Amino acid sequence: GAVVSQHPSWVICKSGTSVKIECRSLDFQATTMFWYRQFPKQSLMLMATSNEGSKATYEQGVEKDKFLINHASLTLSTLTVTSAHPEDSSFYICSAPAGGPSRTQYFGPGTRLTVL
Amino acid sequence: KNEVEQSPQNLTAQEGEFITINCSYSVGISALHWLQQHPGGGIVSLFMLSSGKKKHGRLIATINIQEKHSSLHITASHPRDSAVYICAVTTGNQFYFGTGTSLTVIP
Repeated sequence: GAVVSQHPSWVICKSGTSVKIECRSLDFQATTMFWYRQFPKQSLMLMATSNEGSKATYEQGVEKDKFLINHASLTLSTLTVTSAHPEDSSFYICSAPAGGPSRTQYFGPGTRLTVL
Repeated sequence: KNEVEQSPQNLTAQEGEFITINCSYSVGISALHWLQQHPGGGIVSLFMLSSGKKKHGRLIATINIQEKHSSLHITASHPRDSAVYICAVTTGNQFYFGTGTSLTVIP
């Protein structure tokens, strides 16, 4: 079945540094991918929609200059957390619809970011 | 073998019907999520559960930790409930997602 991978699975970084998270669709093409985050003990929250060949669409309250999204190809979207701060520590997850009538979403396993 | 199994995969109901979607999982979890996705859109989180039962409007979610099973119920279903419903669990270190249940409610 369709698989979405994320890399890295976890990352620890110092405050002020930038961190890039990759989301890949392994056996299907995705013109759209979605990025989510989950803070501890809270539900998943949609951050932005990544669109191949055009700018990402950000949800209200998500800073586009802080969370840079690049949909470089039909199988790769990247999320870069710029100038990370401890409050950015979270679980970041991507998903991609595999196409077809139901447009089933396939999710990556997530990336745990810890900012010291 | 999928860590999270949902049933049914597809469901068509008449407006007003009571709907149940089931989720079984095989890993130890810290929480279970029910998510909703309308066509072409990102997901919306409906519930996060670690035990018992939660209710929000016409939606009810239950979880049985011992049996590793959760259900999502929709009472008095409406065409606007038509969406894909996804069950997801987290172990604290990783998320596992079901493939979703596509619900169509016919007027």
